[in-house]
Amino acid sequence: NAGVMQNPRHLVRRRGQEARLRCSPMKGHSHVYWYRQLPEEGLKFMVYLQKENIIDESGMPKERFSAEFPKEGPSILRIQQVVRGDSAAYFCASSPQENTGELFFGEGSRLTVL
Amino acid sequence: GQNIDQPTEMTATEGAIVQINCTYQTSGFNGLFWYQQHAGEAPTFLSYNVLDGLEEKGRFSSFLSRSKGYSYLLLKELQMKDSASYLCAVRGETDTGRRALTFGSGTRLQVQP
Repeated sequence: NAGVMQNPRHLVRRRGQEARLRCSPMKGHSHVYWYRQLPEEGLKFMVYLQKENIIDESGMPKERFSAEFPKEGPSILRIQQVVRGDSAAYFCASSPQENTGELFFGEGSRLTVL
Repeated sequence: GQNIDQPTEMTATEGAIVQINCTYQTSGFNGLFWYQQHAGEAPTFLSYNVLDGLEEKGRFSSFLSRSKGYSYLLLKELQMKDSASYLCAVRGETDTGRRALTFGSGTRLQVQP
């Protein structure tokens, strides 16, 4: 049973470009969470999605950031017009529909903005 | 809102015992989690407490006191590979459907020979 899969693992963008990060949850999991982690800091919640629905986006910046989890395919975190401050590790986690337990994390996507 | 505090760094000796504390303030409470994260890697689940008391799992134990808003992670027989960050996380209200965990900043543990 494959774990949470994220790609790309590393992404380099120039200021003003767009970054797209993808996350495929564990098989059987329908809840996806995105977190951002700056160097030497903790995980900051960004957004929580179920299939075709955004449940909680209270941690997501109002501008330039968006997320989706379509009926088919992976969840996508999209950052438009990236700035240097967007450089971070972006972790995706998933949980089963009926589970109120732990989140299972992917290996993360490390975004570097030049 | 939620606020989680844990020490930034700790150092301990191989073979010893170390206790990492975590205090939290939340609007509602539906569980406290501990994760381990090695540098550059994904966080991995260690333990979960929802009721008061001690949960033991091998060399790792976690304790919770809901009335005090307090938890600790106890690591016994420390090994060099235990050098990592340890993240305390809380799940707050879920009636709005929010099941995301709120994480503390993590405690970097350095195990020395």
